[in-house]
Amino acid sequence: QQQVKQSPQSLIVQKGGISIINCAYENTAFDYFPWYQQFPGKGPALLIAIRPDVSEKKEGRFTISFNKSAKQFSLHIMDSQPGDSATYFCAASMGYGNKLVFGAGTILRVKS
Amino acid sequence: DVKVTQSSRYLVKRTGEKVFLECVQDMDHENMFWYRQDPGLGLRLIYFSYDVKMKEKGDIPEGYSVSREKKERFSLILESASTNQTSMYLCASSFLDHYNSPLHFGNGTRLTVT
Repeated sequence: QQQVKQSPQSLIVQKGGISIINCAYENTAFDYFPWYQQFPGKGPALLIAIRPDVSEKKEGRFTISFNKSAKQFSLHIMDSQPGDSATYFCAASMGYGNKLVFGAGTILRVKS
Repeated sequence: DVKVTQSSRYLVKRTGEKVFLECVQDMDHENMFWYRQDPGLGLRLIYFSYDVKMKEKGDIPEGYSVSREKKERFSLILESASTNQTSMYLCASSFLDHYNSPLHFGNGTRLTVT
């Protein structure tokens, strides 16, 4: 049973376009929602993260939107670039100890 | 820069063999984790450890065990490898505080069990 559901499985976007990846969760005890980016042959690395006391967090071209009532959060990549082509994972955790539950991942390809 | 090093990039083992996957981190992190990554399933937690000689089961511990004798080293053990354990295995480490400490991953070990 996947505690964090991620969609779509794959995404193709033109260079300069907006990439949007969505995640939904069930456990209302989750209190930390990071996104990880993984390039081929590498381990995932933290991209951006949000806590549920804010509805949006922006870092450069990357924005997390968070809807607590709907138990959903999403990653927006503005002005998508070929270098953004990677696999993206949403995740969630709660309480002490940093144990993350990951979504299934989205393979993003940005066409130049 | 934090470094998490996994001892093997690729590993091929036979069914029934005992397999050891080693992971070392150099940042004095309390937490260490073993995940497996499969297409369409994301990253699933096998075991984690908050301290030396301490371990807790994750979501899919069956068929695996772990060892943490030193703070910097966390080993994953497949007692009797099976073909359904063919996968990418990722080790990660972090400080205890999840708000301010990202997981740092190694580059993975791709294990094939034949």
